[in-house]
Amino acid sequence: DIVMTQSPDSLAVSLGERATINCRSSQSILYSSNNKNYLAWFQQKPGQPPKLLIYWASIRESGVPDRFSGSGSGTDFTLTISSLQAEDVAVYYCQQYYSSHTFGQGTNLEIK
Amino acid sequence: EVQLVESGGGLVEPGRSLRLSCATSGFSFDDYAMHWVRQVPGKGLEWVAGISWNSAGKGYADSVKGRCTISRDNAKNSLYLEMNSLRVDDTALYYCVKEQGRTEAGPLDYWGQGILVTVSS
Repeated sequence: DIVMTQSPDSLAVSLGERATINCRSSQSILYSSNNKNYLAWFQQKPGQPPKLLIYWASIRESGVPDRFSGSGSGTDFTLTISSLQAEDVAVYYCQQYYSSHTFGQGTNLEIK
Repeated sequence: EVQLVESGGGLVEPGRSLRLSCATSGFSFDDYAMHWVRQVPGKGLEWVAGISWNSAGKGYADSVKGRCTISRDNAKNSLYLEMNSLRVDDTALYYCVKEQGRTEAGPLDYWGQGILVTVSS
């Protein structure tokens, strides 16, 4: 099974500042035949289901603000929030769908 | 508008069975793979099972393999999860989730609100 590891577990960032969350997979999730990284990012607020933010590692889901961006390839990925807003307080999960589906443990993002 | 509404949860004793259902609307159900993902309250997400658009492909997490069966009825726009030999550690909020694609290897783009399953004596 592919293990997804996020860092940090918790993060406090000031409003307007950049937030960066990292995700590492235990093996490459880049499919060579289509050159796609099978990686998604989700945002989950209390009492709500997860919301898809980014898929194929860097494609923003429709309606997601452009302050959210995804990058990386192979085994190392990053979710960046360029200018943190109050409504971005949430838990963020990475997920691979290259081989079955597994999630990272989550990163709790708070306001400093 | 895509809607996924789970039902069938509740309190059940260890060793018993339960069938979850997910009624869908707002999209062409038979064009997309579907999944169940669970979450222990306050904890992380765990993929449980997935099924392709035509039921030809099914996959299960090791934690439920042999005890759970995922199925779908495209005529009824509905997804199901049959859970047998339930254990205390199956206690979780179960989400019905739509995939972007037809196979079980695509992004999960829409989630239901979830249904709570509590396994306890």
